[in-house]
Amino acid sequence: ELKVEQNPLFLSMQEGKNYTIYCNYSTTSDRLYWYRQDPGKSLESLFVLLSNGAVKQEGRLMASLDTKARLSTLHITAAVHDLSATYFCAGNAGNNRKLIWGLGTSLAVNP
Amino acid sequence: NAGVTQTPKFRILKIGQSMTLQCAQDMNHNYMYWYRQDPGMGLKLIYYSVGAGITDKGEVPNGYNVSRSTTEDFPLRLELAAPSQTSVYFCASIFPPTGNTEAFFGQGTRLTVV
Repeated sequence: ELKVEQNPLFLSMQEGKNYTIYCNYSTTSDRLYWYRQDPGKSLESLFVLLSNGAVKQEGRLMASLDTKARLSTLHITAAVHDLSATYFCAGNAGNNRKLIWGLGTSLAVNP
Repeated sequence: NAGVTQTPKFRILKIGQSMTLQCAQDMNHNYMYWYRQDPGMGLKLIYYSVGAGITDKGEVPNGYNVSRSTTEDFPLRLELAAPSQTSVYFCASIFPPTGNTEAFFGQGTRLTVV
């Protein structure tokens, strides 16, 4: 059964710094999702990564996928306070029927 | 389009009571999911459905039941509520995961069992 592990689970960083969140998954998943959740809110889609070597960028966030290593990364460039949120990754399991989620990375960007 | 609509947003239940959490989507999505989110525990899959009349258990189905009589609606039933069911519940939907399709989430139902 698919397991999705994120690290770190908590991340405190300064504005202007760069950092990477890692998402490892245990078995084959034909796609990898990244979502953002603000406190007390629902989840909002950031990226869908479909194939090995896929890279997508939106503003200060860039996501990549290495299917051979079963690893996806979410890179944050020159962090700003507005990026403070919890970031989740998820993969497909059960013949692509189930979405299985990591525990999330709680990111705090401090001035 | 309203997307995914969950009702109610908040509810307090007494131990042993029952209730139904409603979820409706207007995007003609085949796949629908119920998750619970506990602090620091991510999203745990309770039940899912790949189409009307088809449901299946997820990771934590005990104490819950679902039905899917239409494409649009996927209610979650709690029978005999217990304090362990205090959580935030999210409903999500997606076309069959192909291409760049993404899952859409409802706003959540915050349930407290006392």
